[in-house]
Amino acid sequence: GENVEQHPSTLSVQEGDSAVIKCTYSDSASNYFPWYKQELGKRPQLIIDIRSNVGEKKDQRIAVTLNKTAKHFSLHITETQPEDSAVYFCAAIPKDTGRRALTFGSGTRLQVQP
Amino acid sequence: GAGVSQSPRYKVAKRGQDVALRCDPISGHVSLFWYQQALGQGPEFLTYFQNEAQLDKSGLPSDRFFAERPEGSVSTLKIQRTQQEDSAVYLCASARGSGELFFGEGSRLTVL
Repeated sequence: GENVEQHPSTLSVQEGDSAVIKCTYSDSASNYFPWYKQELGKRPQLIIDIRSNVGEKKDQRIAVTLNKTAKHFSLHITETQPEDSAVYFCAAIPKDTGRRALTFGSGTRLQVQP
Repeated sequence: GAGVSQSPRYKVAKRGQDVALRCDPISGHVSLFWYQQALGQGPEFLTYFQNEAQLDKSGLPSDRFFAERPEGSVSTLKIQRTQQEDSAVYLCASARGSGELFFGEGSRLTVL
């Protein structure tokens, strides 16, 4: 099955700095890589995703990069703001297996210091 | 409805009791997933439905866990003879197909 490793587990940055979270996956057939944000006591919500036919995708202050050869993908948040403080989860879904469910990483707790 | 709805939001059970957790997905979403999230961890896959068919239950940790979606809409996750290690947040998510998952707020189960 799919294995998704995420690091760091915690990340503290000053407001305005950039934050980078990295994930590796094991199944080379994986083709969909979303990132979810979960605020304390709330539901996970999709913030950005990327499919294996592109190497980078941007949405305002958030970007995701994908390196299929190395089997890793990263979340980049620029100009961080206190409201970016949350736990972020990467995930991957294998392509040609019976499973259609996302496998999630263990999460990164991001704290943006004002 | 506007989003995925789960009930109860909080459930306290004595060890050995049976519990039932309900999920009402977004109307029209054919895919429905159950995940278990322990404190400080990522969601762990339990089971997946496409309409009323349970296509994958490989994540259910034991035969005490059972899920159903008889009419392809509302789903129920049942845990029999609850144990302390079952304490977690149970998240339900639905999707139109194989894309974005929309999660509910979760049901927090505490087993004493």
